[in-house]
Amino acid sequence: EIVLTQSPDFQSVTPKEKVTITCRASQSIGSSLHWYQQKPDQSPKLLIKYASQSISGVPSRFSGSGSGTDFTLTINSLEAEDAAAYYCHQSSSLPHSFGPGTKVDIK
Amino acid sequence: EVQLVESGGGLVKPGGSLRLSCAASGFTFSSYSMNWVRQAPGKGLEWVSSISSSSSYIYYADSVKGRFTISRDNAKNSLYLQMNSLRAEDTAVYYCAGQGGSHAFDIWGQGTMVTVSS
Repeated sequence: EIVLTQSPDFQSVTPKEKVTITCRASQSIGSSLHWYQQKPDQSPKLLIKYASQSISGVPSRFSGSGSGTDFTLTINSLEAEDAAAYYCHQSSSLPHSFGPGTKVDIK
Repeated sequence: EVQLVESGGGLVKPGGSLRLSCAASGFTFSSYSMNWVRQAPGKGLEWVSSISSSSSYIYYADSVKGRFTISRDNAKNSLYLQMNSLRAEDTAVYYCAGQGGSHAFDIWGQGTMVTVSS
């Protein structure tokens, strides 16, 4: 079973600041890593697929990078509406697994 | 509009059963692999089960294997999760999630709450 870890657990950020969230896999997963945003009392929403592929309708300030075991989600110029929990997810092998999440709060 | 709508959640006693449904609309349901993902109160996301587009392939998390059964009816654009022998640790919001051409979960429902308590 592939275990995903995320850092940091929590980040308090001022608007327009840059946010970087990392996700590390317990073994190589190629590019089979996806990122989701979950706002309070909402269902998750796909932000980035296959480590760096953008999703239609997602603002361009969200980007992803990485391969193998180390991945990064970057939010350039954070906006107030970006306050949410962010989860990584690997689909390289079953069982699917998610990271524990990173909560981003707006100062 | 692309939509997944879950139903069937509620309060059930330990050892009891519940059947969740997920109604799909606005996309070609029969082309999508489908999943159930749950989230315990205040916790992260946990994958529960997957079913391929034609029901040929079915997978479960170890935590629910032997107790939960996933199924689908493409003619009715519906996904199901039969949950038996429920435990307190099954308490969670249950989401159905679809995978289109990729392995990412690109469509999510709003979730249905399942509470297992005496």
